[in-house]
Amino acid sequence: QLQLQESGPGLVKPSETLSLTCTVSGDSIGSSDYYWAWIRQPPGKGLEWIGNIFHTGSTYYKPSLESRVTMSVDTSRNQVSLKLRSVTAADTAVYYCARSVDTPIERYFDFWGQGTLVTVSS
Amino acid sequence: EIVMTQSPVTLSVSPGERATLSCRASQSVSNLLAWYQQKPGQAPRLLIHGGTTRAAGTPARFSGSGSGTEFTLTISSLQSEDFAVYYCQFGSTFGGGSKVEIK
Repeated sequence: QLQLQESGPGLVKPSETLSLTCTVSGDSIGSSDYYWAWIRQPPGKGLEWIGNIFHTGSTYYKPSLESRVTMSVDTSRNQVSLKLRSVTAADTAVYYCARSVDTPIERYFDFWGQGTLVTVSS
Repeated sequence: EIVMTQSPVTLSVSPGERATLSCRASQSVSNLLAWYQQKPGQAPRLLIHGGTTRAAGTPARFSGSGSGTEFTLTISSLQSEDFAVYYCQFGSTFGGGSKVEIK
């Protein structure tokens, strides 16, 4: 049974870097044909895709966040990570890790972690 | 960037009734639309991809239709566990969501 678990600080100060890790169990990231995604949801609002990463390190980011985002993969630990720099209150959200079917013509997210709330506040 | 617009924002339905949710794309997305269900405090759950293909575990009362720019998610007979927010998605863009509430 595939499981994804996000972890990281729940409180980040403005201008600092948000860092989250997603630990995957039930599938090997290194041998998977799937991408791995980060998606966020501000409190009471809708879903926003942040980016996708493949086990080779190939990434796709949302253009409006690209200058502040870095995603990485650690196949030995079966983890994917997210770093978001220079955060503001607008980055306060529940952050989800998800498995993504990502082909040249189609992208969707078939398994999700439970999400972790990150609050940006001094 | 493609914009996905969902309607209505809120739909009030009685248990056992049919619910129809709409999703409109600002340009053609062929049939490459996905639908998700999100209950309070939970992560979204994939219901349908490819416009019409139910994901594993999705009950048959959920059906997707449409192509191009106009799509519909139909719940044939609402059960208590179906009251939730529903999102459509294409590529990197999600719609704003439609909430199905108890009438």
